[in-house]
Amino acid sequence: EIQLQESGPGLVKPSQSLSLTCSVTGYTITSGYDWSWIRKFPGNKMEWMGYISYSGSTNYNPSLKSRISITRDTSKNQFFLQLNSVTTEDTATYYCARDGGRFDYWGQGVMVTVSS
Amino acid sequence: DIRMTQSPASLSASLGETVNIECLASEDIYSDLAWYQQKPGKSPQLLIYNANSLQNGVPSRFSGSGSGTQYSLKINSLQSEDVATYFCQQYNNYPYTFGAGTKLELK
Repeated sequence: EIQLQESGPGLVKPSQSLSLTCSVTGYTITSGYDWSWIRKFPGNKMEWMGYISYSGSTNYNPSLKSRISITRDTSKNQFFLQLNSVTTEDTATYYCARDGGRFDYWGQGVMVTVSS
Repeated sequence: DIRMTQSPASLSASLGETVNIECLASEDIYSDLAWYQQKPGKSPQLLIYNANSLQNGVPSRFSGSGSGTQYSLKINSLQSEDVATYFCQQYNNYPYTFGAGTKLELK
């Protein structure tokens, strides 16, 4: 069974970096698919943030392009999100998901609050 | 970016009723559309992909239709476990974009 699980701090100070990990079991992230980060803001708006592909290439939402980085550790079957210079507007629940265009497997989500 | 206009924003229906949720794309997305169900405190679950293909394990009372810019999700014979928020998502063009969601409640 394919499972994804996010981990990382639930509270980040403004202007600092947000760093999250997605651990994948049941599927090797180098075997195929893209591996995405998606966030859901208070009030329900959903935003696709970007992906890292099975080959290691990346694609980011232009709205975040200057602040986002998605990397991976293939030895641990994990991929990572780093979002720099966060503000209170980055407060959201962050999900990782397997991306074949549609998102067929999701992590449980991690709520991140940006506050001093 | 492709704008996804989803309606209604909220919906109240009775058990056994048929429910329709609409999604209008700002340009042709060539059926590259998915529907998700999200229950409180849970992650989204894929229901429909390619506009009308039912994801494995999803009850057959869920169906999707549409083409071009107009798409819909239909729930036949509404069950109590269908109370949730539903989202559409286009994957024809980057950045992928979502509808604003439809909150479905029981009347």
